[in-house]
Amino acid sequence: EAEVAQSPRYKITEKSQAVAFWCDPISGHATLYWYRQILGQGPELLVQFQDESVVDDSQLPKDRFSAERLKGVDSTLKIQPAELGDSAMYLCASSLSLAGGSYNEQFFGPGTRLTVL
Amino acid sequence: GEDVEQSLFLSVREGDSSVINCTYTDSSSTYLYWYKQEPGAGLQLLTYIFSNMDMKQDQRLTVLLNKKDKHLSLRIADTQTGDSAIYFCAEEVGGYNKLIFGAGTRLAVHP
Repeated sequence: EAEVAQSPRYKITEKSQAVAFWCDPISGHATLYWYRQILGQGPELLVQFQDESVVDDSQLPKDRFSAERLKGVDSTLKIQPAELGDSAMYLCASSLSLAGGSYNEQFFGPGTRLTVL
Repeated sequence: GEDVEQSLFLSVREGDSSVINCTYTDSSSTYLYWYKQEPGAGLQLLTYIFSNMDMKQDQRLTVLLNKKDKHLSLRIADTQTGDSAIYFCAEEVGGYNKLIFGAGTRLAVHP
């Protein structure tokens, strides 16, 4: 069964360091999402891609976070410099395509748990 | 603004029914979803309901939607220990399938 792959699964870093997370969506899925899930909360959308274009990055802290999906397939989310408050689970999801008003299931990867010391 | 509220914790006895409640704010939401998250794992879609429906049944799961009150519920019949997890309600907003999640309800099933 096709799955969304993420790596690493766990990352420990010190504040002010740079970190990067990788996501490989399900083959053929045009839409890719990065979410941040702080402990005890629901996921919050950080950035959404349709192919290689950003559709929504309104909640992405752009002073330290960046995301790219250069060839419209896999994606990287970077934090530089990391802060203590960035400790969270970072989830990647993918779906077939943007379909406003139509059912469009998002499939989630296992996530990367980031701890900033 | 967009907001989804859920109760944080529910404890039930094995074999009983569980009912998890959720309220949302965006009346234009087209789809509402229930996701399940087990410890250390990603989210798994359990079921969804289209906004013009008021009920959907899928095996042990029943979703009820009250659009007037913006209230959504998930009923799990014959709850099992394997159902212990965090359940998230989510509403779809805007034209780009953006999901707004609640904080999740932790379901504990005891013998």
